[in-house]
Amino acid sequence: EAQVTQNPRYLITVTGKKLTVTCSQNMNHEYMSWYRQDPGLGLRQIYYSMNVEVTDKGDVPEGYKVSRKEKRNFPLILESPSPNQTSLYFCASGNPHYEQYFGPGTRLTVT
Amino acid sequence: TQLLEQSPQFLSIQEGENLTVYCNSSSVFSSLQWYRQEPGEGPVLLVTVVTGGEVKKLKRLTFQFGDARKDSSLHITAAQPGDTGLYLCAVKTSYDKVIFGPGTSLSVIP
Repeated sequence: EAQVTQNPRYLITVTGKKLTVTCSQNMNHEYMSWYRQDPGLGLRQIYYSMNVEVTDKGDVPEGYKVSRKEKRNFPLILESPSPNQTSLYFCASGNPHYEQYFGPGTRLTVT
Repeated sequence: TQLLEQSPQFLSIQEGENLTVYCNSSSVFSSLQWYRQEPGEGPVLLVTVVTGGEVKKLKRLTFQFGDARKDSSLHITAAQPGDTGLYLCAVKTSYDKVIFGPGTSLSVIP
């Protein structure tokens, strides 16, 4: 089954404690992306990757890091999480037409 | 900054009614996607429109891309409770970023 998986689905953490959210896709897509979704602000792109070892900033990259060492994986790293990073996060992979296929989401709470 | 606007922001209708939601921009795009998102889940792709003036149908949903490729509409005929959700439009920008509109939240009341 073609899918995008993310882990964990729910995470409660404290300010400053480094965390990683994993993302994996099995559709052999070159394009992968991370979004955050907040009430009233919609879906905003954090980082995207056109291919292995190629990553670029989206609209809200501050406080986040990503890496793309393998085609299928695109982890999101928060080196020092802060409460304003409390949000619903989605990973997505995209085909050559930029049609996005989303994971189930990770609900992050930073206290 | 390229922006997508969607209207209306909220829509609550009775089952069986027809509705149209809109996605607008001042920029021209090579293609545009529509997604539906249910609470707590990721958006799901509905359709991609590419050609100006193009009309695509997906069962009771009709999608149209404006002639100038700056806007799009989604028309739902005889809405059903299963159509309830957040409808999002999205485009790829010239820098390979993807931007989403703020969405139209649709509620279909049985």
